[in-house]
Amino acid sequence: GESVGLHLPTLSVQEGDNSIINCAYSNSASDYFIWYKQESGKGPQFIIDIRSNMDKRQGQRVTVLLNKTVKHLSLQIAATQPGDSAVYFCAEGDNDYKLSFGAGTTVTVRA
Amino acid sequence: NAGVTQTPKFRVLKTGQSMTLLCAQDMNHEYMYWYRQDPGMGLRLIHYSVGEGTTAKGEVPDGYNVSRLKKQNFLLGLESAAPSQTSVYFCASSYSIGTGDGYTFGSGTRLTVV
Repeated sequence: GESVGLHLPTLSVQEGDNSIINCAYSNSASDYFIWYKQESGKGPQFIIDIRSNMDKRQGQRVTVLLNKTVKHLSLQIAATQPGDSAVYFCAEGDNDYKLSFGAGTTVTVRA
Repeated sequence: NAGVTQTPKFRVLKTGQSMTLLCAQDMNHEYMYWYRQDPGMGLRLIHYSVGEGTTAKGEVPDGYNVSRLKKQNFLLGLESAAPSQTSVYFCASSYSIGTGDGYTFGSGTRLTVV
């Protein structure tokens, strides 16, 4: 079946720098894409989403970019903070209620 | 606090034992889901429900059963636990499709089968 995946399993970033987390997807029928943050011992927490008819969406310190031509999704975190250390998942969904998740990227923020 | 509540948070089972995981949501969401999370992998959908009294199979349904007798509760059952079912289980609910922020996850149940 088709799946959503992330390019790198780990990312180490200096506090204050910008982080970029990448995700490749293969289901061209997906209608929306979501980024989740998961801290140790907790469930995934919604960060930001983007619909397939958009190529960029901004939130507070985060930006999601969608490139449908190459089926690529990225999450940019500005001025990374220690509290941003977590596992980040991308997920894709269409109109059948279900989400498909990638394997996740573990982000570690260095002080 | 409003949200999704999972019980228990931790459980150790012996091979062959059975158990039920409970998920409760107080947001009046129509849709509910059970996922499992294994090391190095994303969440995989086990079963889901699009409304009270309905259930459907997800990506990895074998060895599990579910029931949605009440809108606010979604139960996940393991009839005969196997070591391969050692995992962290997450329940989620949503009020609609097509909106990412509509999904709310519980804090998980860590299950170990020995």
